[in-house]
Amino acid sequence: QKEVEQDPGPLSVPEGAIVSLNCTYSNSAFQYFMWYRQYSRKGPELLMYTYSSGNKEDGRFTAQVDKSSKYISLFIRDSQPSESATYLCAFSDPGAQKLVFGQGTRLTINP
Amino acid sequence: GAVVSQHPSRVICKSGTSVKIECRSLDFQATTMFWYRQFPKQSLMLMATSNEGSKATYEQGVEKDKFLINHASLTLSTLTVTSAHPEDSSFYICSASDSGDYEQYFGPGTRLTVT
Repeated sequence: QKEVEQDPGPLSVPEGAIVSLNCTYSNSAFQYFMWYRQYSRKGPELLMYTYSSGNKEDGRFTAQVDKSSKYISLFIRDSQPSESATYLCAFSDPGAQKLVFGQGTRLTINP
Repeated sequence: GAVVSQHPSRVICKSGTSVKIECRSLDFQATTMFWYRQFPKQSLMLMATSNEGSKATYEQGVEKDKFLINHASLTLSTLTVTSAHPEDSSFYICSASDSGDYEQYFGPGTRLTVT
């Protein structure tokens, strides 16, 4: 079983749609949960991070964590074409000092 | 704040030569730096973790004699790909972290093409 599973897509939605991105994980030691966005040929940028179950909202972005199911989600409301990119989930446990990334979901938001 | 730069952004070299990539934290002290490799349409794979003044810790399957990492200061780490071959062509990304901070700040990446 892979440590992190993420559907690679591609996912295509119209402008203004609500986007739902998901990852599952198997390592119970993961305590930090992150979402990164990566544009083509660029480094990843951190969008959201959380360390507890529940929802965390930041503008049009909502990160959701369900530790009991080992499942995390990122919701993007009113999605914009400029947000077309690859979205990566990432996980960390306090002892390891390193991130484990999902495969990334390629998202296209069509005008 | 928390800006990380990489140089060069793109490099093309001939097979058998060595290439050095620099990673700099511009506005903070990075006690830990990480080097990743990313093949097309794939995720980031951690190659090694380096702490300032210490030898790098390499992930399983990464040849430490081929990928030389130096982290001589709190703002600079270098990755040297020695005797590069076409299969080393990839996108190399570094990240940096403050002491005790799980968050990593990523550089813009370096695209290496070995001909």
